[in-house]
Amino acid sequence: DTAVSQTPKYLVTQMGNDKSIKCEQNLGHDTMYWYKQDSKKFLKIMFSYNNKELIINETVPNRFSPKSPDKAHLNLHINSLELGDSAVYFCASSQPGGVAFFGQGTRLTVV
Amino acid sequence: GESVGLHLPTLSVQEGDNSIINCAYSNSASDYFIWYKQESGKGPQFIIDIRSNMDKRQGQRVTVLLNKTVKHLSLQIAATQPGDSAVYFCAENTDNYGQNFVFGPGTRLSVLP
Repeated sequence: DTAVSQTPKYLVTQMGNDKSIKCEQNLGHDTMYWYKQDSKKFLKIMFSYNNKELIINETVPNRFSPKSPDKAHLNLHINSLELGDSAVYFCASSQPGGVAFFGQGTRLTVV
Repeated sequence: GESVGLHLPTLSVQEGDNSIINCAYSNSASDYFIWYKQESGKGPQFIIDIRSNMDKRQGQRVTVLLNKTVKHLSLQIAATQPGDSAVYFCAENTDNYGQNFVFGPGTRLSVLP
């Protein structure tokens, strides 16, 4: 009965490849997010979607493209992966103005 | 502006003692704050929240204090246990729609036996 689930948990890939991370929430929330956590544990928001519409798009390279097929899913596609993209990516969901619930994270390693 | 940590501060406490974790937030207009706990290999988990119309809020073994004058937030954990060892983050809501939470740099809490 995982509330926010993301797959895969680990992803190791070569530079230049394209990869996707999937996220699903079963909480009935209207808002979903992608956060990036670097090696120093700093958490920064990348995107926020409300009812499938993009609300927040922080300064993120356009190689990163979120896709929300419905309000329970927010996937993250990354083109032309670079070494600096290595990080842990977290999906989260909330009701607007409410507490965000996070997935377990996807550790992306670009080699 | 956003707070950017150069390193992760660490707080070490003896089991059974009280812990106080501090956070300086950046935006004086922020009206909602959340403390999260992140254990190794897991996502952040909600601990307690507070709105700007309050100075203090208590939960089970945890208390959050908000000082808007100096833009300071603290998390107090009573009778700290080994299971409290984790990284703790404060997060502030910086927009009117509740959809942009800015996280602080985090504090690692180590509980000593």
